[in-house]
Amino acid sequence: QSVLTQPPSVSGAPGQRVTISCTGSSSSIGADNDVHWYQQLPETPPKLLISGNTNRPSGVPDRFSGSKSGTSASLAITGLQAEDEADYYCQSFDSSLSGYVFGTGTKVTVL
Amino acid sequence: EVQLLQSGGGSVQPGGSLRLACVASGFTFSSNAMSWVRQAPGKGLEWVSSISGDSVDTKYADSVRGRFTISRDNSKNTLYLQMSSLRAEDTALYYCAKLRGMRAHNYYIDVWGKGTTVSVSS
Repeated sequence: QSVLTQPPSVSGAPGQRVTISCTGSSSSIGADNDVHWYQQLPETPPKLLISGNTNRPSGVPDRFSGSKSGTSASLAITGLQAEDEADYYCQSFDSSLSGYVFGTGTKVTVL
Repeated sequence: EVQLLQSGGGSVQPGGSLRLACVASGFTFSSNAMSWVRQAPGKGLEWVSSISGDSVDTKYADSVRGRFTISRDNSKNTLYLQMSSLRAEDTALYYCAKLRGMRAHNYYIDVWGKGTTVSVSS
């Protein structure tokens, strides 16, 4: 039921900026439903990174930022660090499915 | 400290049943919607089901609707997932999750359990 599309992988050198897109539809992101982002390190549960499109929970470095426009959203990581190597997922609500949806996931590799 | 302690996973044959449980602590359980999310081996996250704090509103992914039932016992701070007619494609790590947000359409997960493994094979 994954109706949010993300690139399978992105990569960057330490210190660089990378962005991850999350493309939805008029019934999900475009229906004024918030987008949230999670980081999943290997063999661990996901961790909330961004809530409500742009809000960082306490403890999340300000290198991580979120944005939303129309039917898409983006997660930006500036000053990429080795510990940022992980899988990242966006999440929203789909009004036509009447359920929550996750993105397809993006693996971030630090070169 | 907010914690979600999961139990109930295991191996089962196709067509069988299992019940997962998740005991919550460190927050007012009855005031929070809860959810189950699963992750098949090597795959991404898939939302399975959610339930409101008062059990009035339940939601299911199309892939499990009619086979899985989510419920909760607020007197025991426990969330359940009853899984029936299990299929090989239900094999996954199942996470219990606490939802947060101002309205249901904008809920997000702020606390995750450690996960419990469900394996369906003959």
